[in-house]
Amino acid sequence: QVQLQQWGAGLLKPSETLSLTCAVFGGSFSGYYWSWIRQPPGKGLEWIGEINHSGTTNYNPSLKSRVTVSVDTSKNQFSLKLRSVTAADTAVYYCARRRWGNEPFDIWGQGTMVTVSS
Amino acid sequence: DIQMTQSPSSLSASVGDRVTITCRASQSISSYLNWYQQKPGKAPKLLIYAASSLQSGVPSRFSGSGSGTDFTLTISSLQREDFATYYCQQSYSTFLFTFGPGTKVEIK
Repeated sequence: QVQLQQWGAGLLKPSETLSLTCAVFGGSFSGYYWSWIRQPPGKGLEWIGEINHSGTTNYNPSLKSRVTVSVDTSKNQFSLKLRSVTAADTAVYYCARRRWGNEPFDIWGQGTMVTVSS
Repeated sequence: DIQMTQSPSSLSASVGDRVTITCRASQSISSYLNWYQQKPGKAPKLLIYAASSLQSGVPSRFSGSGSGTDFTLTISSLQREDFATYYCQQSYSTFLFTFGPGTKVEIK
């Protein structure tokens, strides 16, 4: 049973860098894309970006200038960095898995609430 | 970008009711449409993928249909545990995945 467990700082000040990590337990790391998705309070879901085991990345153009997704295959972990955060980046951040191709997000992490406030 | 819309944005229904939620894409996405259920404080859960395929472990009262731009999620007999928010998501554009705004199903 594949599980994703995520962690990171939950309170940031404006202009700081958001940093989250997601670990994959109980399954293969290769053959999948590993995504970050966020959800502002009371709002819908926004895909941020993804990476595969080889380090190939795709980013949402609206966030691309501030986002880096990286991978550590030795630990079966991937990470998100979002620079220069503002209050608009306040959201629950989820990590998620999808298979290569036009596949859905079938496994999700538990979510991490990140608040940006001065 | 492929824009996704859903209707209605919310609905009230009773246990045992048949419920239908519609999702529309701004361009054809073939059958690359997925449905998720989200309960408060929880991560979304995959229900339906590729428009009509039931994810393993999901009750058969959930079904999906459609192709191109118009899609439907149907709950044949609403159960108490089905009260949640439902999102559609297109996986046609693998460079930019987008979700619908959600449909909240509430108890009447």
